[in-house]
Amino acid sequence: GENVEQHPSTLSVQEGDSAVIKCTYSDSASNYFPWYKQELGKRPQLIIDIRSNVGEKKDQRIAVTLNKTAKHFSLHITETQPEDSAVYFCAASRSNFGNEKLTFGTGTRLTIIP
Amino acid sequence: DVKVTQSSRYLVKRTGEKVFLECVQDMDHENMFWYRQDPGLGLRLIYFSYDVKMKEKGDIPEGYSVSREKKERFSLILESASTNQTSMYLCASTGRGDYHWEKLFFGSGTQLSVL
Repeated sequence: GENVEQHPSTLSVQEGDSAVIKCTYSDSASNYFPWYKQELGKRPQLIIDIRSNVGEKKDQRIAVTLNKTAKHFSLHITETQPEDSAVYFCAASRSNFGNEKLTFGTGTRLTIIP
Repeated sequence: DVKVTQSSRYLVKRTGEKVFLECVQDMDHENMFWYRQDPGLGLRLIYFSYDVKMKEKGDIPEGYSVSREKKERFSLILESASTNQTSMYLCASTGRGDYHWEKLFFGSGTQLSVL
């Protein structure tokens, strides 16, 4: 089955600086890579995702990059703000038009220092 | 907005008890999932279901079973609760007919403590 590794487990950055979280996956057939954000005491929510036919995707201050050859993908957050403090999870799956099973990484606790 | 509702926010049970965790979604989603969340281990899939009366094992099914008698409801059952099942349990759903069918909608979670 799929195995997703995520690093670092904790990350502290000054407000305004950039944060990068990295994940690797094992199943070369995986083609869908989402990122979920979980604020303290709340449920995880999808913030951005990327499919294997795309190398990079941006949404305002967040971006995700994918290197299929190396089987790794990364989340980039620029101009960090206090509300970016949360636990971030990467995941991978073989998207099969409705019958997906996501495998998650172990999470990164991001703390933004004011 | 999709609503995924878990019946209890906090539960305290004794070792050996049979425990039922209930999850209901209101968006006619076909797929439903049960994850457990533990610090440092992320979200691990216990069981999932693609349709009524269907179930498939996830990555850590031992000690658990599930029931899906109706499309909107997916129950997680701990036949004989043990202390190592103390965890946060998250239910989620996705809809095959949705444009973004892979997007998981999570419930707010049930924090289960087994004493």
